Amino acid sequence: DAGVIQSPRHEVTEMGQEVTLRCKPISGHNSLFWYRQTMMRGLELLIYFNNNVPIDDSGMPEDRFSAKMPNASFSTLKIQPSEPRDSAVYFCASSSDRGLFHEQYFGPGTRLTVT
Amino acid sequence: QQPVQSPQAVILREGEDAVINCSSSKALYSVHWYRQKHGEAPVFLMILLKGGEQKGHDKISASFNEKKQQSSLYLTASQLSYSGTYFCGTALNQFYFGTGTSLTVIP
Repeated sequence: DAGVIQSPRHEVTEMGQEVTLRCKPISGHNSLFWYRQTMMRGLELLIYFNNNVPIDDSGMPEDRFSAKMPNASFSTLKIQPSEPRDSAVYFCASSSDRGLFHEQYFGPGTRLTVT
Repeated sequence: QQPVQSPQAVILREGEDAVINCSSSKALYSVHWYRQKHGEAPVFLMILLKGGEQKGHDKISASFNEKKQQSSLYLTASQLSYSGTYFCGTALNQFYFGTGTSLTVIP
C-alpha cells in the first residue's frame, strides 16, 4: 500500500490567500484525522472523520478553517483567509476503525508557511 | 487536557536504558505511543487498552496504570535508531497527544 498521501508537501503563501491541503487515506481505512504541529503547541488534533462524517471538530481553531471528506478516499483542509500564525506542519492520518483506540498511520505532512 | 510527559529531554549513550512517563489529569481509556524523527511523521509504536496492561516489542515496552492515570515507556539497551521525539496519546472523546520527550542516543 502507498500509505497516506498528502499534497502539497510544501506550501508558501501570502497572508489573506486561500490554502487547500489534500489527503488520501490508506485504502480500507474508515477514520481520518487532521493534525497541526507547531513548536509552541505541539501536535493538535483539528478534526476527525469516521465513515466520511465529521465526528469532532472541536480542535478547529476558528471559522477560517474548514475540512471536508466527500468520499472515502479524499479529504481537504482549507484555510481562508490564511494568516502568519497558521504556519505549521499539517498532518493527515488514517485508521482502520474509529481510530481513538486503534493505531493511526500518518502521512508525510504539509509544511505551510504564510508570509 | 494534554497529557504531560517527563522528562522533556534525555540524552543516552548506546546501550543505556530510559523511561518516559506520561500523566493525565483526566481518566485514561487507552494510551498510544508514537515516535517522531526529525522532519518526519509520527510512527505508531504500541497501544495499551486496559489498565495494568503491558506490551513490548524488540526492546521497547510500555505499561499502563489506569488508576494513577499514567503510562510509562521503557527503552532498554538503547540504539542510535531510537533517537527521536516520543509522544504518548490518550483517547477520551477526542485524541490528545502528550507534550513530547526528546530522546537522543549518542555513540
